[in-house]
Amino acid sequence: KQEVTQIPAALSVPEGENLVLNCSFTDSAIYNLQWFRQDPGKGLTSLLLIQSSQREQTSGRLNASLDKSSGRSTLYIAASQPGDSATYLCAVKGGGADGLTFGKGTHLIIQP
Amino acid sequence: NAGVTQTPKFQVLKTGQSMTLQCAQDMNHNSMYWYRQDPGMGLRLIYYSASEGTTDKGEVPNGYNVSRLNKREFSLRLESAAPSQTSVYFCASSEAGFSPREQYFGPGTRLTVT
Repeated sequence: KQEVTQIPAALSVPEGENLVLNCSFTDSAIYNLQWFRQDPGKGLTSLLLIQSSQREQTSGRLNASLDKSSGRSTLYIAASQPGDSATYLCAVKGGGADGLTFGKGTHLIIQP
Repeated sequence: NAGVTQTPKFQVLKTGQSMTLQCAQDMNHNSMYWYRQDPGMGLRLIYYSASEGTTDKGEVPNGYNVSRLNKREFSLRLESAAPSQTSVYFCASSEAGFSPREQYFGPGTRLTVT
């Protein structure tokens, strides 16, 4: 059974810092990996999708990498802002038609 | 283009009551999913529908039933609610294909069972 782990569980940093969130998964036979953002009491917003054949994806200040063979992904946030404060979720899609397997998330606070 | 919509947003039930959570998407996606999110557990898949007319169990299907009414709509029914079903429920959809596409999520339904 696929398991997804996110480290750290919580992170608090001053505004302006660059930071890295980590995600690891136990079964490397994935189709894609998706990073989400979740604000308190809200739904999930998709940030980046990396297909299994890709090594990285970028969107603005966000960069996600994927090392499928080692079962790892990182989300890099450049020049962090207070508005980046949220919970960040990593999820993998395996073979078949079923859904995503999620990590428990990293709760990020950016201090002004 | 509303994306994925869910109704209701909030609901309080007594133990043993039944209810149906509604989900609709306007992106012409083939696949739809129901997840629940509990503190400390992350999101877990309840049921999914790969295409209109098909449904399958996910990781935590007990106590739930689903109906894929048409390509747009996928409902989740609790026949006899239990306190253990207190959770936030999310519906999602995606385009199917050899390499599955990005999943889009609705805003969630916050359910409390007393």
